[in-house]
Amino acid sequence: GAVVSQHPSWVICKSGTSVKIECRSLDFQATTMFWYRQFPKQSLMLMATSNEGSKATYEQGVEKDKFLINHASLTLSTLTVTSAHPEDSSFYICSATGTSGPVWTQYFGPGTRLLVL
Amino acid sequence: KNEVEQSPQNLTAQEGEFITINCSYSVGISALHWLQQHPGGGIVSLFMLSSGKKKHGRLIATINIQEKHSSLHITASHPRDSAVYICAVRLQGAQKLVFGQGTRLTINP
Repeated sequence: GAVVSQHPSWVICKSGTSVKIECRSLDFQATTMFWYRQFPKQSLMLMATSNEGSKATYEQGVEKDKFLINHASLTLSTLTVTSAHPEDSSFYICSATGTSGPVWTQYFGPGTRLLVL
Repeated sequence: KNEVEQSPQNLTAQEGEFITINCSYSVGISALHWLQQHPGGGIVSLFMLSSGKKKHGRLIATINIQEKHSSLHITASHPRDSAVYICAVRLQGAQKLVFGQGTRLTINP
């Protein structure tokens, strides 16, 4: 089946630094990638949708200058948390749809746990 | 009121029991997904449904479009089935998913 990877799986950083999270589709072309954030014991919250080669569409309340999303190729999207603060500590998950499986099937990455000190 | 409601929120059962998790939604959808999230956080897509019923091993998912309701059943439950099960719907004409709050299932040996 289709596989989506994320890197890193864990990151701890100091407040004020920027953190980049990568999301890759390993065996299919991901025309659309989604970025989610999940706080403990809560469900996933969509942050933004990115289509390859175009600007990401952010959900209401998500600061696009703080959460930079780049989807430069059909197998890679990155999320950069700029000037991270402790309240940005969360579990970030990406998913991808594309050339694998039934139309609009989303394949999820394993997630990245971010802790900002 | 959330667009997607799951029940129960928490469910504890003994190994071998038949499990049912329910999902109701209030919007027009093009598909409904059942997802499984293990304690480590990784998410696995179990089913994508637009009508009828699907079965995979001990898991069965059904959907009634008219009643805007779906159920996920687990037969002969096992402790390894312990996870959070999430119902998500794809709105008509949209790419993104809208998620339920999840059902935390614990199967005791």
